[in-house]
Amino acid sequence: DTQVTQSPPSLSASVGDRVTITCRASQSINDYLNWYQQKPGKAPKLLIYGASNLRSGVPSRFSGSGSGTDFTLTISSLQTEDFATYYCQESYRTRTFGQGTKLEIK
Amino acid sequence: QVQLQESGPGLVKPSETLSLTCTVSGGSMSGYYWNWIRQPPGKGLEWIGYIYYSGTTKYNPSLKDRVTISVDTSKKQFSLKLNTVTAADTAVYYCAREVEARAVSGALVEFFDIWGRGTLVAVSS
Repeated sequence: DTQVTQSPPSLSASVGDRVTITCRASQSINDYLNWYQQKPGKAPKLLIYGASNLRSGVPSRFSGSGSGTDFTLTISSLQTEDFATYYCQESYRTRTFGQGTKLEIK
Repeated sequence: QVQLQESGPGLVKPSETLSLTCTVSGGSMSGYYWNWIRQPPGKGLEWIGYIYYSGTTKYNPSLKDRVTISVDTSKKQFSLKLNTVTAADTAVYYCAREVEARAVSGALVEFFDIWGRGTLVAVSS
């Protein structure tokens, strides 16, 4: 089975900062990698699919990159509403999620 | 627009079977994969499995011996049964629709585009 390792587990940042979250797959998953945002008590929401495709309606400050085994989610200029937990998820073989990255206000 | 709603008991006894239903409203089930995902309190997301609208299933290898997912397209519902539960199965259970779209690379990739609100199921005597 494909394992997906996400880092860091938590991250403190300020409004306006640029942040990057990484996801590494245990074997090549091409670009079958998605990113979700989850706020407390809510269901996750899709941000990025296919490694780099921005879902319609998601702000352009979110971007994704990578292929094969290494992927990144970048938020170019943090806004207050971006403080949440982020998950990557592979869809190449099963549907494994990364462990999550909790983004907190510094 | 399509909405999903989970329903079922909020409390299940250890060793019994957890049963949940997801009702689809505002759209058709045809052509999509329908998934169950769970999240233990304070922890991350775990994919349980999916069913295609025609009935094909795929399960998480770590749960496949205890899981059954079924679909009733006439009622626009799909269901989850998880056998022999323990406290470790306590979680918020989400249903989610999975779709395909063409990525920049040209590949058809799958992702969860619509989620239910989730329902908390506790396993306790």
